[in-house]
Formats: sequence, C-alpha cells, structure tokens
Amino acid sequence: DTAVSQTPKYLVTQMGNDKSIKCEQNLGHDTMYWYKQDSKKFLKIMFSYNNKELIINETVPNRFSPKSPDKAHLNLHINSLELGDSAVYFCASSQASGTEGYTFGSGTRLTVV
Amino acid sequence: GNSVTQMEGPVTLSEEAFLTINCTYTATGYPSLFWYVQYPGEGLQLLLKATKADDKGSNKGFEATYRKETTSFHLEKGSVQVSDSAVYFCALGPKAAGNKLTFGGGTRVLVKP
Repeated sequence: DTAVSQTPKYLVTQMGNDKSIKCEQNLGHDTMYWYKQDSKKFLKIMFSYNNKELIINETVPNRFSPKSPDKAHLNLHINSLELGDSAVYFCASSQASGTEGYTFGSGTRLTVV
Repeated sequence: GNSVTQMEGPVTLSEEAFLTINCTYTATGYPSLFWYVQYPGEGLQLLLKATKADDKGSNKGFEATYRKETTSFHLEKGSVQVSDSAVYFCALGPKAAGNKLTFGGGTRVLVKP
C-alpha cells in the first residue's frame, strides 16, 4: 500500500497548456505539502495545507493553484505552463506538527516543451 | 529565519570507506533535525531523525548526533556500499502545524566498487 501517491509520474506537455497533478495519502495525516525540486536538486516549499486550510503559500506564480477537497488529498493545478515550470514536484504529508518528519510521494517529473 | 547548510558534493568514495556529510543549521529554539535520502529516480525517504539536543539518530548503519553547542547534525557511516549512492538532505523541522521543513541543498554521494 502506497502511503503517499502522486499521479502522473511523468508529464510532458506543451507551453501554454493547463495540467493537474494529483496527490493522495492514506496515513491519516492532517497536513500535506507541495515541494518543487529543480535540476540542481534544490527543494523549495510551494504550499502546505493543514486540515484543508492553506497555511503556507510561498512566492509562487498565480498560475499554480492547490486544491484540497479533504484531508487525504492535495492536488496541484498549473495554468499556462512555461518552460521554467519543468521540474520534479513532490507531494508530502505529516502529522499536524510535522515534528516526526514528512512522508514523500515518489514525485512527478514535469517537462514543458 | 531557519536555514540549513550542508557540504556541497559530489562526494566520491570507494566501497567500505568512511562517509561524513556535514550539516549545520540556524534556528530559534530546539527544532527536530532530519536526514533524508533520495535514490536515483525516487522520492525522498526519511533516513533518521533527532528531536532534542544530544539525541543520536541511527538507521541502516548511518548515524547523526544533534549537537546544540555547534548547531550541527553531521551524518556518518563507517563503511559505505555502492547501494548508498544517492543524494542526502539535511533538514530542520517545523515548529507549528503546516510549517515547512527547511532543507539543505543536498549532497550527492557516489560510491564506486
């Protein structure tokens, strides 16, 4: 049983398109996150949700919009994709405090051509 | 604000060599500290953690001790294997629900037979 699952694993799309990445966790965690990993492996937080409430919204273009229909799901929608959006996007979840660490999904490699 | 600094890689070693990856942090209070490992093409996995000063986290032969006096959490392994080739991330835990895990820049380790 996969704890944090993301779909799709790979996504290749053209500039200007709109795409979504889905994330689901079956750990009963209260908090979910989206991180972006660039080509140099640097990880940057994008969003976090605690019990469906947006907690962190880092400096991310408005083209990125997270949606959390319930505690177990946090989807990421991206409008008008640009070349610079190419990266690996990781979903993660944790207990509310996060002090026990996060559980990460396996990532979605987005390539914009 | 919180920050994590870890040594830049790549670190190239021969099998059975001793591995040390330095990690220092800046934070207020006493956050939890973590090491995550990312194998090629995969997501991040929690390797070990420590929640208070002088705690030693250990897993799979890796160890790290939470040193408050030097604000460090260096990762060590006495005898590495080819299968330890990966990117290792030091991270500083959040203090409140939904707050972010702060990552260092990652250190790529390559173990040669």
